[in-house]
Amino acid sequence: EPEVTQTPSHQVTQMGQEVILRCVPISNHLYFYWYRQILGQKVEFLVSFYNNEISEKSEIFDDQFSVERPDGSNFTLKIRSTKLEDSAMYFCASSDSRGGTETQYFGPGTRLLVL
Amino acid sequence: KQEVTQIPAALSVPEGENLVLNCSFTDSAIYNLQWFRQDPGKGLTSLLLIQSSQREQTSGRLNASLDKSSGRSTLYIAASQPGDSATYLCAVKGGSEKLVFGKGTKLTVNP
Repeated sequence: EPEVTQTPSHQVTQMGQEVILRCVPISNHLYFYWYRQILGQKVEFLVSFYNNEISEKSEIFDDQFSVERPDGSNFTLKIRSTKLEDSAMYFCASSDSRGGTETQYFGPGTRLLVL
Repeated sequence: KQEVTQIPAALSVPEGENLVLNCSFTDSAIYNLQWFRQDPGKGLTSLLLIQSSQREQTSGRLNASLDKSSGRSTLYIAASQPGDSATYLCAVKGGSEKLVFGKGTKLTVNP
């Protein structure tokens, strides 16, 4: 069964460093998403991406964040200058979203720890 | 602003028991509602998706219902097993692309 994959599974970085989280969505899907979950808190939406551009972003997704689909398979989240409060589990998701009715499928997540 | 609440926050039951998890949402203008399972430190596994026009969906021992007008959904698990132990998350999709999640119900099924 097709699945969303994410790399790395864990990443430790120093405050102020740049990190890139990578995702391979399900191959025939059209919509891509990033969510995050701070330990003990709700899963929060960061950004959605369709047709090579951001379709929606949350208040969390400020100028330190960016997303890119560099080729036909990968979808990346870049955090330019990490802060302690960026420590969280980051989930990528994809959907074959026609009219907003389709299931979003989530990857296994990347656990980011900022020291 | 959509808010999703899940009650109870934690539930412990003996194996074999039937159980119900609850989800409520403040804005009834939703397109769909998804139930997910999350194992500790792991990703989210989609269990069921209910469209706004549907009343319920079934998959094996799981049955999810939706009452959009009252802003409620339930996930019914029949004949619970220790392998069902996990956190169950409810998420709603409104007029935008994002899912809005509840905090989840942590289920423990004791052998």
